[in-house]
Amino acid sequence: GESVGLHLPTLSVQEGDNSIINCAYSNSASDYFIWYKQESGKGPQFIIDIRSNMDKRQGQRVTVLLNKTVKHLSLQIAATQPGDSAVYFCAESGSGNTPLVFGKGTRLSVIA
Amino acid sequence: DTGVSQNPRHKITKRGQNVTFRCDPISEHNRLYWYRQTLGQGPEFLTYFQNEAQLEKSRLLSDRFSAERPKGSFSTLEIQRTEQGDSAMYLCASRGDSANEKLFFGSGTQLSVL
Repeated sequence: GESVGLHLPTLSVQEGDNSIINCAYSNSASDYFIWYKQESGKGPQFIIDIRSNMDKRQGQRVTVLLNKTVKHLSLQIAATQPGDSAVYFCAESGSGNTPLVFGKGTRLSVIA
Repeated sequence: DTGVSQNPRHKITKRGQNVTFRCDPISEHNRLYWYRQTLGQGPEFLTYFQNEAQLEKSRLLSDRFSAERPKGSFSTLEIQRTEQGDSAMYLCASRGDSANEKLFFGSGTQLSVL
């Protein structure tokens, strides 16, 4: 069935280094993928999204890579800052307006 | 603040009581979603509305849960006869109708059932 998961539950990086957060999904019909950042006590905050007709998309300090062959999604954060410390979720949905299905999240800790 | 607004932010109740949460979506958004999130987990879909119509409900939404969006604007989520297992963060999100619209979340209502 549909499921989205993450490879690592926690990730610690030095301030200024690049971070890579990975996500695997199982639904080959997934059409839309999105990364959210969630800080303690807050709702998920949109970071970046990508559709299945693309394999890379860049934002400000963030890049999302999609490998449909192995059903893998990653989020790269350049020059990681203390403010990037949070839990990061990937989510996916099928075609149309099907609700997003979330993975379990990766907690990113930035070491100053 | 023109984001998704949820009230209350926190709710503590005793087992067996009824609770109701409110969500005010971003004003131009026709689609409104409810998710539930427990500690250490990602949000789980509960139900969603397009305008006032409830289009999909998850099997997680037991008979004790009911959601409404009577005028296609704000929505309420009611839980009857609460159980300790209902303790969670209840998140509301909204988006527009087109395929490229992003889903924006509120800060959630944290429910604790004692």
